[in-house]
Order: sequence, then structure tokens, then C-alpha cells
Amino acid sequence: KAGVTQTPRYLIKTRGQQVTLSCSPISGHRSVSWYQQTPGQGLQFLFEYFSETQRNKGNFPGRFSGRQFSNSRSEMNVSTLELGDSALYLCASSRGQGGETQYFGPGTRLLVL
Amino acid sequence: GENVEQHPSTLSVQEGDSAVIKCTYSDSASNYFPWYKQELGKGPQLIIDIRSNVGEKKDQRIAVTLNKTAKHFSLHITETQPEDSAVYFCAAWLNNDMRFGAGTRLTVKP
Repeated sequence: KAGVTQTPRYLIKTRGQQVTLSCSPISGHRSVSWYQQTPGQGLQFLFEYFSETQRNKGNFPGRFSGRQFSNSRSEMNVSTLELGDSALYLCASSRGQGGETQYFGPGTRLLVL
Repeated sequence: GENVEQHPSTLSVQEGDSAVIKCTYSDSASNYFPWYKQELGKGPQLIIDIRSNVGEKKDQRIAVTLNKTAKHFSLHITETQPEDSAVYFCAAWLNNDMRFGAGTRLTVKP
């Protein structure tokens, strides 16, 4: 069974631009969670989607948004990029929501110049 | 904010020795505690997890213990090998999201 896939793997953007990252969960998994990983803040929860609905949201500004499609694939969008948005963005999939075992993808490394 | 504290931040052991990483959490309602291993350039990989209805779980050289009263849980790696070198994260399911510890960089010296 294929694991969680994320595209693109690497991305370079400039301040003020926007970016869309994609995540395909493990087949049969209906929940996708997004995390931001930085050396200073560690792994921080962004949001969780289940059955195309955002179920939970972390403490990030409204510039960070996401959505989930009927096939459980998910995208996250960051608008008006700031230098501090440079990070590894990870998505994790699980069968259900709320404390289910999560499996991570390889991440998308975003560099904002 | 971070509700999971992880210690130590770095750990260096000799090949064949044991390694122990400890985490504490703040919310007694938390009921799920996974451990992840992250190698350079990769996403975190689940290595073992435990739910609050058991006190210990073992999988070959890896074990996790949970003390609900004290609100702490630990990862034990026995007979360490150089390929165990990585960053290890503990996590706890808290208030509808997964909270992660800051990570422990484990180095196993051959």
C-alpha cells in the first residue's frame, strides 16, 4: 500500500506570493492533518480535515487555509508569504479523526526569500 | 503552546547500549501517545504508540511505558545500532490535536 505523498517536495517563493501544497493520503484514510515544522518551534499543528470538513484548527493566522476533496486528497494554501513561513510542511493521514494513528508524508520544504 | 515536554534534547550512546527518552504531558485527559523517528530529509515515521488503557508496549528492541498518574511516558531502545541515529519525537493527543515534544537527537556511536 502506498504511503502518504506530498507535492511538490521543494519550493522557493518570494515574500508576498502565495503557495499551494498538495497531500494524497494512504488509500482508505479519510483524515488529513497538516503540520509546520521549524527548528525553532518544532512540529506545530495547522489543521485537520475529515470528510471534506475542517474539524480542528491550530493557532495560525488566516493566511493559512486548506481544503479536502471527496477523494480525501488535501491541499493547503498560504497567502501573502512571509519570511517566517519558511518551513517543512508535513501532512499526516489517518483512518478516522481524533486520536487515530497518523502516518506522515515526506513533507514539502518551502523557502521564502 | 507546547504541552508536551521532552528530555533530553540530545543523547549520545555507544552501539549496543540502551537509550531512554522521557516525555511529560499536562492534560490528564490525553489518551494516545505515539513516538516518531525522523531521519534527515524525511517525514516522521511512527515507531510505536500506546493508548492510556495499557502501561507498557514492546516491539522488538523498542518499548514504551506510560505512567498516567505521573503523566509521563518513555521510549526505551535496547541494543542500539548506528541506524537508530535520528531525531525522536513524542506526542500526545490533547484537546483535539496532536501536541509534539521538541525532539531528541539520538546519536549511536559505532
